[in-house]
Amino acid sequence: GDSVTQMEGPVTLSEEAFLTINCTYTATGYPSLFWYVQYPGEGLQLLLKATKADDKGSNKGFEATYRKETTSFHLEKGSVQVSDSAVYFCALGANTGNQFYFGTGTSLTVIP
Amino acid sequence: DAGITQSPRYKITETGRQVTLMCHQTWSHSYMFWYRQDLGHGLRLIYYSAAADITDKGEVPDGYVVSRSKTENFPLTLESATRSQTSVYFCASSETLAGADTQYFGPGTRLTVL
Repeated sequence: GDSVTQMEGPVTLSEEAFLTINCTYTATGYPSLFWYVQYPGEGLQLLLKATKADDKGSNKGFEATYRKETTSFHLEKGSVQVSDSAVYFCALGANTGNQFYFGTGTSLTVIP
Repeated sequence: DAGITQSPRYKITETGRQVTLMCHQTWSHSYMFWYRQDLGHGLRLIYYSAAADITDKGEVPDGYVVSRSKTENFPLTLESATRSQTSVYFCASSETLAGADTQYFGPGTRLTVL
């Protein structure tokens, strides 16, 4: 069945460091891919998404490219800030039915 | 205020009791979802609803019951709570089919079953 695997955390970075959080997926057909972010004490909110191969989603300096050949959707940011400290979830939306699959989440802490 | 709200935000109950978690959205989104969040599992779908009076099971539906008599409300009931149902529960909604559409999440309910 469909699934998402993302790198385990926690990840700790210094401010202005480069961030990569790996995400790979298994799916039949052509799913949509998402990154959600959860700030402490809050629900998840959409960070970015891509709905077809080679699409790049971007928001708030974060980027991820939908790579069908490597079944990946890695999240990157060139220079992280303390305010980026949160848990990041990779997710897959199946293009048939209403199934949505989340990764286990990666906790990011950015220290000044 | 517009958005998606959940109540209560925190709940402590005992094994065997019935508990209902409430979810309300003001967007008139067709689709609504219930997830549970557990360490090491991420979010897992419990139930979802495509419209009023239409519900379907997700990945982990056992021990839960849902109803949707009105578009804006989607309560989740634990008929006889067990310790394994201790978790954080999130309600979400989306305008169209979940596969390609953004889901909007509520703030969550932290449930502890003693």
